[in-house]
Amino acid sequence: EAQVTQNPRYLITVTGKKLTVTCSQNMNHEYMSWYRQDPGLGLRQIYYSMNVEVTDKGDVPEGYKVSRKEKRNFPLILESPSPNQTSLYFCASSFIGGAGNQPQHFGDGTRLSIL
Amino acid sequence: AQSVSQHNHHVILSEAASLELGCNYSYGGTVNLFWYVQYPGQHLQLLLKYFSGDPLVKGIKGFEAEFIKSKFSFNLRKPSVQWSDTAEYFCAVNVLDDYKLSFGAGTTVTVRA
Repeated sequence: EAQVTQNPRYLITVTGKKLTVTCSQNMNHEYMSWYRQDPGLGLRQIYYSMNVEVTDKGDVPEGYKVSRKEKRNFPLILESPSPNQTSLYFCASSFIGGAGNQPQHFGDGTRLSIL
Repeated sequence: AQSVSQHNHHVILSEAASLELGCNYSYGGTVNLFWYVQYPGQHLQLLLKYFSGDPLVKGIKGFEAEFIKSKFSFNLRKPSVQWSDTAEYFCAVNVLDDYKLSFGAGTTVTVRA
């Protein structure tokens, strides 16, 4: 089954304790992206990757890191989490092509609470 | 940077009523347009997309959207909603050849049985 898998689904942690949210897709997609979803703000892009070892900042990259060592994986790293990073996070992936009209496939989301 | 505006924050309807959700974007060039739906507790799913051709596009579950270039709009419609259409709806836009999607703030649709 084609899917984007995020782990963990829920996490409560404390300020300053490094954490990683994993994302894996099995569709051989080149493009992967992380979003955060906050009430009234919709989804905002954190980082994206066009292919292995190619990553770039989205609209709200501060406080986050990513890596793309393998095509299928795109982990999101919070080196020193703070309460303002409490949010619902989505990973998404898509093929590249069609001048950007390929729809993105989303994971089930990770709800992070930073105390 | 482009922006995407969804005019309605929350819409409440009765079953069988018609639905129209507004979406406007700010970019003047060629764009790809998407509507995604997020059912309670689930991930976003694609409803429909437009990138060229007939400006009236049909999607899944009886939804359709009309692209009006002169108005920078891509409004979503459904003639007769069902209780199962209760969800949050997001309009999204990207510029041609750019994969960065900009999302609207979302519209929560509540359908009462």
